Amino acid sequence: GIQVEQSPPDLILQEGANSTLRCNFSDSVNNLQWFHQNPWGQLINLFYIPSGTKQNGRLSATTVATERYSLLYISSSQTTDSGVYFCAVGGGGGYNKLIFGAGTRLAVHP
Amino acid sequence: NAGVMQNPRHLVRRRGQEARLRCSPMKGHSHVYWYRQLPEEGLKFMVYLQKENIIDESGMPKERFSAEFPKEGPSILRIQQVVRGDSAAYFCASSPRGRAFDEQFFGPGTRLTVL
Repeated sequence: GIQVEQSPPDLILQEGANSTLRCNFSDSVNNLQWFHQNPWGQLINLFYIPSGTKQNGRLSATTVATERYSLLYISSSQTTDSGVYFCAVGGGGGYNKLIFGAGTRLAVHP
Repeated sequence: NAGVMQNPRHLVRRRGQEARLRCSPMKGHSHVYWYRQLPEEGLKFMVYLQKENIIDESGMPKERFSAEFPKEGPSILRIQQVVRGDSAAYFCASSPRGRAFDEQFFGPGTRLTVL
């Protein structure tokens, strides 16, 4: 099956810093989504981005499907950005079950 | 992810009891997916259902777990004779159709604790 690797596994930032999170996947996919799981456990959809570039406020994402990776950019980080960021890919076998990476745990300190 | 409802949000069961988790998809969505997140881990696919049909249950444990999505009402994930290892967060997602490229929208999850 498809393998999903996220890096770095842990990231500590000072408020205001920028960061880049990476997601590598081992095969062609039809779906790629980024999520933020906040410290209360809620899973928040950030981007649906099987290819191309999208921006939403301080967050943006780029997926290069032909090279099998996606990047999530966080600019001017805030303490509320803390939590775990998951990349998930889908589309294998004709169904859309998502395969999740292990996540990047982000801590933003004031 | 607004619109996918899960209840209860927290559920406590003693070993050997049954747990029933409910998921109401977003309005207009007829495809439901269940995922499990064990402590300190990522989410793992369990089962994919359409109304009255189980399409893919390749991630479901072979025993004690079952899922349904009836013609009327929410999807239900049922765990019989729970054990401590079943303690996890269970997330439900929905999509308008089951196409491979459809975005999935997630509910808030049900956190199951087995004493």
